[in-house]
Amino acid sequence: DVKVTQSSRYLVKRTGEKVFLECVQDMDHENMFWYRQDPGLGLRLIYFSYDVKMKEKGDIPEGYSVSREKKERFSLILESASTNQTSMYLCASSLSGADTEAFFGQGTRLTVV
Amino acid sequence: DQQVKQNSPSLSVQEGRISILNCDYTNSMFDYFLWYKKYPAEGPTFLISISSIKDKNEDGRFTVFLNKSAKHLSLHIVPSQPGDSAVYFCAAIGAGGTSYGKLTFGQGTILTVHP
Repeated sequence: DVKVTQSSRYLVKRTGEKVFLECVQDMDHENMFWYRQDPGLGLRLIYFSYDVKMKEKGDIPEGYSVSREKKERFSLILESASTNQTSMYLCASSLSGADTEAFFGQGTRLTVV
Repeated sequence: DQQVKQNSPSLSVQEGRISILNCDYTNSMFDYFLWYKKYPAEGPTFLISISSIKDKNEDGRFTVFLNKSAKHLSLHIVPSQPGDSAVYFCAAIGAGGTSYGKLTFGQGTILTVHP
């Protein structure tokens, strides 16, 4: 079974803090994704990586950066957390190609106060 | 600009009846379509998919229909069970261009199945 593991289930951070969300997958997938889920908005893509050190901006990259130094690990960084970044963050991975499903981690509920 | 749209925020059905969830898309480059199910405080789990070369795919109680000319797909659940109560997301992947390899999701539909 594919396993995608996010480092925290729940996080509470203060405004202005630098926040790191970590994601690890164990199936040697080329693609990794970070989404955020907000009520009524569905899942919105923040960043996408198709290989080590390669990244592409998604639909809402502002205020975020990412790092992929190893194939199995994809980190999302909030440079200076703000209250509007309070959300559910979901990491996913998939094989390369246009006809393959993505597997998701359990999600991180981030609250910025 | 929402490229994948689920226009019904919620759906309520009786146990044993059919649930039909709908999804529309606008990007002609979308070539592969998926449905995910999500429970609160968990990540989405893959349910079923369909390639654009097909118009129907079936897996047990779940069937996905694709009408490419109308840019519309639907998920049928028969018979519906209380355990099916969850949020259902439609997603699409592009065959090329900027949407290649990336899943674009709809807003989700909350399905409630009453015993």
